[in-house]
Amino acid sequence: GAVVSQHPSRVICKSGTSVKIECRSLDFQATTMFWYRQFPKQSLMLMATSNEGSKATYEQGVEKDKFLINHASLTLSTLTVTSAHPEDSSFYICSARHLTEAFFGQGTRLTVV
Amino acid sequence: AQSVTQLDSQVPVFEEAPVELRCNYSSSVSVYLFWYVQYPNQGLQLLLKYLSGSTLVKGINGFEAEFNKSQTSFHLRKPSVHISDTAEYFCAVSGRETSGSRLTFGEGTQLTVNP
Repeated sequence: GAVVSQHPSRVICKSGTSVKIECRSLDFQATTMFWYRQFPKQSLMLMATSNEGSKATYEQGVEKDKFLINHASLTLSTLTVTSAHPEDSSFYICSARHLTEAFFGQGTRLTVV
Repeated sequence: AQSVTQLDSQVPVFEEAPVELRCNYSSSVSVYLFWYVQYPNQGLQLLLKYLSGSTLVKGINGFEAEFNKSQTSFHLRKPSVHISDTAEYFCAVSGRETSGSRLTFGEGTQLTVNP
């Protein structure tokens, strides 16, 4: 099946710094990718839909200036958490649709200290 | 718009026992249905999906699910579970209209298989 690679799998950063998470579709082109956030013992919360060559569409309540999304090519989308704070600590997961199926990255555990 | 309800947040079972994880959905359009499994600190892995055709869908690891349109359900079953099946399971739905359609997830069911 198709593969989505997400990097890094874990990152620890200091409060106030920015962190970039990459999501790549390895063997297919993805015009649309999705970014999710997952709190412990909870479901995935869609943060934004990333569209290749255009601006991302953010869900209600998600700060677009805090969570910058760039989808510069058909195989790469990035999520940058700017000026990170401890409350941004979470598990972030990306996904890309290929035909009728969604494929997920391995997730990134972000810890802001 | 779609919504998904997973009726059990936690399901403890003994090894080799059968299990059913329940999922109901609502949608104003035709849908695709999915079950995903998530192991700790990992992404989601597709177990099975219903697109069309036979309402009984078989997936990986011995799991199967049955689509029931009249009851708007898509319950996941396994006749005999293993310790390794312990994980979080998510039911999801997407509209059929476009290939870029977003997934809507249920709240998840933690399956714990005890020896």
